[in-house]
Amino acid sequence: QVQLQESGPGLVKPSETLSLTCTVSGGSINNHYWGWIRQPPGKGLEWIGYSYYSGSPNYNPSLESRVTISVDTSKNQFSLKLSSVTAADTAVYYCARCGYYSGWFPFDYWGQGTLVTVSS
Amino acid sequence: DIQMTQSPSSLSASVGDRVTITCRASQNISNYLNWYQQKSGKAPQFLIYGTSSLQSGVPSRFSGSGSGTDFTLTISSLQPEDFATYYCQQSYSTYTFGQGTRVEIK
Repeated sequence: QVQLQESGPGLVKPSETLSLTCTVSGGSINNHYWGWIRQPPGKGLEWIGYSYYSGSPNYNPSLESRVTISVDTSKNQFSLKLSSVTAADTAVYYCARCGYYSGWFPFDYWGQGTLVTVSS
Repeated sequence: DIQMTQSPSSLSASVGDRVTITCRASQNISNYLNWYQQKSGKAPQFLIYGTSSLQSGVPSRFSGSGSGTDFTLTISSLQPEDFATYYCQQSYSTYTFGQGTRVEIK
């Protein structure tokens, strides 16, 4: 059973860079796409971006200028960096796997989520 | 960008009721539509992919239909464990989620 676990600081100061890591266990990070989704408190889900295990990331246009997603196959981990954060970036951040289902790519495995608060 | 609009934003229903949630895309997404269920304080769970294909283990009371721009998620007989928020998601061009539909106990 594939499991994902987010890790990183729960508090980030405005204008700084949010950095999170997702560790994948119970399966290989190879041959899959991996993504990040966030959810502001009391609001809906927002897709941040995804990357194939070998690279070629794709980002939400609304965040593209500030986001970097990278994959470390040696550690079975992938990471998210979001620069120049503001209070609007306060959210629960989820990592997830893009599964392959007969040509469709839903997010089939999710981490439990980690709350990141942007505040001085 | 493709926008996804769900309706209603929330609904109240009783156990045993038939519930239908609608999701509309701002452009044709063929059948690249997925559905998720999220319970309070938990990560979303994947229910349906490709508009109508149930993920393994999802009860058959859940069904999805539609194509192009209009889609529906139907719960044929609402159970206590189904009270949650449901999200549609298009995967035709990257990803976009709908704003969610909260299903509450009547």
